[in-house]
Amino acid sequence: QVQLVQSGAEVKKPGASVKVTCKTSGYIFSNYYIHWVRQAPGQGLEWMGLINPSDGSATYAQRFQGRVTLTRDTSATTVYMELSSLRSEDTAVYYCARGVLTGYYQPSGYWGQGTLVTVSA
Amino acid sequence: EIVLTQSPGTLSLSPGERATLSCRASQSVSGNAVAWYQQRPGQAPRLLIYGPSNRATGIPDRFRGSGSGTDFTLTLSRLEPEDSAVYYCQHYGRSPSFGGGTKVEIK
Repeated sequence: QVQLVQSGAEVKKPGASVKVTCKTSGYIFSNYYIHWVRQAPGQGLEWMGLINPSDGSATYAQRFQGRVTLTRDTSATTVYMELSSLRSEDTAVYYCARGVLTGYYQPSGYWGQGTLVTVSA
Repeated sequence: EIVLTQSPGTLSLSPGERATLSCRASQSVSGNAVAWYQQRPGQAPRLLIYGPSNRATGIPDRFRGSGSGTDFTLTLSRLEPEDSAVYYCQHYGRSPSFGGGTKVEIK
C-alpha cells in the first residue's frame, strides 16, 4: 500500500535551517509528484511547493521562493524539504503528500503523518 | 494565485442533518480543479472529493461535491458524529491554494 513516512519533530533556533524527510513506498516513485503543505498551530493549510521525482524539477509557492528547497533521492524513494532562515512564524506541522493520479495537476490523495518544526530561541 | 474563500466559518448541526459548505474562488478555476479535504484534530488531511464531484476511494456517498467556475459546494448528508472536523477546499491547478476552512460541529 502507498505510504509516506516523515522524519521526527525538530526544534530549531531562529536563522537556522531544517530538513524534513518523506520516505515513500508502495508505488512507482518517479510517477507521482510530491507536494509539501504546512499548517501553523490552530491555522489552515498552506501549500509550499511540489517536486517531480522523475527529474527533480520543483515549483515553489511565491512566498517561499528562495527559502525552500525540494530534492529527492530516487534510490531511496525519498523526498526532502529544506527550509532556511527560520523564524518563529515557521513553527508548524509540515506534511508531504502524493497526488491521486500521475500528472502535475492532481489533488493530494496520500499524506505523510506530519512533522512538527518548532522555531524558538 | 487563486484565493479561495470558504463559508461559513463554523457550522453546528445535529446528527442526521445536512451540511452545506461553500467555497468561492477569486477567479474561474480552470478545469474545475477543486478538491475538498477533511481534517480531524491531530490528523493529516484526508481527500474527500475532487474534480469537483469525484469521490476519493472509500468516501461514502453521503459526501457530494458540486459546482463550477468560481462557486463550489460540499454537501454532507445524514451527518454522523465522526463528521466533526474542519473541511478545506483546494484549487490544485497551477499554483495550488487552500481555503481557510469550515469547522463542522456535531451537537
